[in-house]
Amino acid sequence: AQKITQTQPGMFVQEKEAVTLDCTYDTSDQSYGLFWYKQPSSGEMIFLIYQGSYDEQNATEGRYSLNFQKARKSANLVISASQLGDSAMYFCAMREETGANNLFFGTGTRLTVIP
Amino acid sequence: NAGVTQTPKFRILKIGQSMTLQCTQDMNHNYMYWYRQDPGMGLKLIYYSVGAGITDKGEVPNGYNVSRSTTEDFPLRLELAAPSQTSVYFCASSPDGSGVEKLFFGSGTQLSVL
Repeated sequence: AQKITQTQPGMFVQEKEAVTLDCTYDTSDQSYGLFWYKQPSSGEMIFLIYQGSYDEQNATEGRYSLNFQKARKSANLVISASQLGDSAMYFCAMREETGANNLFFGTGTRLTVIP
Repeated sequence: NAGVTQTPKFRILKIGQSMTLQCTQDMNHNYMYWYRQDPGMGLKLIYYSVGAGITDKGEVPNGYNVSRSTTEDFPLRLELAAPSQTSVYFCASSPDGSGVEKLFFGSGTQLSVL
């Protein structure tokens, strides 16, 4: 079974609107971390936001927030007030506590912001 | 603050040639990783290391070798390059394997094998 599932290969959003990028995960660990990375066309991987499994509040970083629903095992990224510079690939990742090879990436969602 | 440094940024190889992708981090991180990213796809783990002298295979290790003689350096060796190894290669590091630790990525190496 896939550890991280991103079901939206591509998304479009109007500039200044909000957009939600979906991510579901699968783990039997009680302690784990969830991460979102942005990959613009230049290719680098930029860390956006982190959510710990024991964090009771949803993480926020500026215009980014993580909608964490533990029971549903989802960790959706919400980008508010989209900007043209938000056009990029977005990867969801999970890091389990157990094992050395414990980091899993989704297949990514390509977001395009329309002016 | 350098972080994770990869060299070269671009490289073209002929089939059968060999090369080493360099990766250095200056954050004293124990864990280091090599990923490849094929066009339009996600990241696949090639090899990882949990400390100097310790390496292990990831999901797609065939055709590659690694070594970790120091904490800072984690080079990736391609032997007998094949067109299937055309990809973007990312090196990454983290302090340890804890679930709270994010990965720090290098800027990537774009490799074409022709």
